[in-house]
Amino acid sequence: KAGVTQTPRYLIKTRGQQVTLSCSPISGHRSVSWYQQTPGQGLQFLFEYFSETQRNKGNFPGRFSGRQFSNSRSEMNVSTLELGDSALYLCASRSSLNTEAFFGQGTRLTVV
Amino acid sequence: GQQLNQSPQSMFIQEGEDVSMNCTSSSIFNTWLWYKQDPGEGPVLLIALYKAGELTSNGRLTAQFGITRKDSFLNISASIPSDVGIYFCAGRQGGSEKLVFGKGTKLTVNP
Repeated sequence: KAGVTQTPRYLIKTRGQQVTLSCSPISGHRSVSWYQQTPGQGLQFLFEYFSETQRNKGNFPGRFSGRQFSNSRSEMNVSTLELGDSALYLCASRSSLNTEAFFGQGTRLTVV
Repeated sequence: GQQLNQSPQSMFIQEGEDVSMNCTSSSIFNTWLWYKQDPGEGPVLLIALYKAGELTSNGRLTAQFGITRKDSFLNISASIPSDVGIYFCAGRQGGSEKLVFGKGTKLTVNP
């Protein structure tokens, strides 16, 4: 069974640009959540989607948004990138809301 | 955002030694989880704890859910070189599905 797949693995963007990251969950998993990992702040929750609906949202500005498609794949978008958005963005999927999540390898975003 | 207080920040040990790390919070959590992250990889779940006072083992790993629901510890016995990595605690509060993470304990094992 394939794990959580995130694309791309690495990305370099310029300040002010926007970026879209993709996450394909484990087959059969309907919940996808996103986390930002930085050396200073550690792992912080961005949002979670279940059956195409956002169920939870962390304390991030509106520049961070996401969506989930009918096949459970999810995308995360960051607009007007800032240098501080440089981070490892992790996606995690779980089969239902009362099970634990499996993480992907992450997308390393560098904003220059 | 909210975070758990995880200590120690780093540990340098000899192969074969036992290791202990812990997490504390001022808030109550209903679930405590322990993850390990290797360089270039996402966190991998090691142990999940769902009940106050619960003690759970996974091979050489043992974790406990504090009776006050505000803390948890992870022990690794007889460490081996592949135990190297960053260990994170994470908690989930009642009524919320998001995970709150500690800042991690970086473990180095000298052969």
